Amino acid sequence: QVQLQESGPGLVKPSQTLSLTCSVSGGSISGALYYWSWIRQRAGKGLEWIGRFYTGGSTNYNPSLKSRVAISLDTSKNQCSLKLSFVTAADTAVYYCARGRQLDPYFDHWGPGTLVTVSS
Amino acid sequence: DIVMTQSPDSLAVSLGERATINCKSSQSVFSSSSNKNYLAWYQQKPGQPPQLLIYWASTRESGVPDRFSGSGSGTDFTLTISSLQAEDVAVYYCQQYEGTPWTFGQGTKVEIK
Repeated sequence: QVQLQESGPGLVKPSQTLSLTCSVSGGSISGALYYWSWIRQRAGKGLEWIGRFYTGGSTNYNPSLKSRVAISLDTSKNQCSLKLSFVTAADTAVYYCARGRQLDPYFDHWGPGTLVTVSS
Repeated sequence: DIVMTQSPDSLAVSLGERATINCKSSQSVFSSSSNKNYLAWYQQKPGQPPQLLIYWASTRESGVPDRFSGSGSGTDFTLTISSLQAEDVAVYYCQQYEGTPWTFGQGTKVEIK
């Protein structure tokens, strides 16, 4: 059974870069055609898709964040990473990684999420 | 972007009664090439990540109780809980995956009356 686990600093200063890692166990991160997505949820709010890395060879980002986001894969570590630059308090949220598949792109596996607070 | 709008924002239902949540997309999420609606439903309990309930608008995920069902096509969709149980108290989200950016509805909170 595939399991996802997010990790990274829980506190980031304004204007700095938020960096998170999603560690995947129970399967290869590139063993098939997968979408590895990052999704965030601000306190008491809904879900916002940040972007995805497609193992078939592309990335797509939400236009609202596109200028500040980078998602990458490290197949040697079986990890997916998120970098969000120039953060502000509005980026304070629980960040989730989630998996979809090429022909079934809905999110069938999620990590438990990690809270990132942006504050000086 | 495809905007997903759920209604109501919250509802309270008696145990054993039916709960119905609606989701409307600003444009069709039906693909004629695949003959599928690119619409999923998720359940989120406090302190937990969302959990997939329904995909392709009406296919129940493995392990999901059959009291949960999804219906609809094009721009109008419904999630029905046929007989509400205490463990169904949660926030429910619809999500379209027809086109990026993938988008979610604002959520519907289901409580016990």
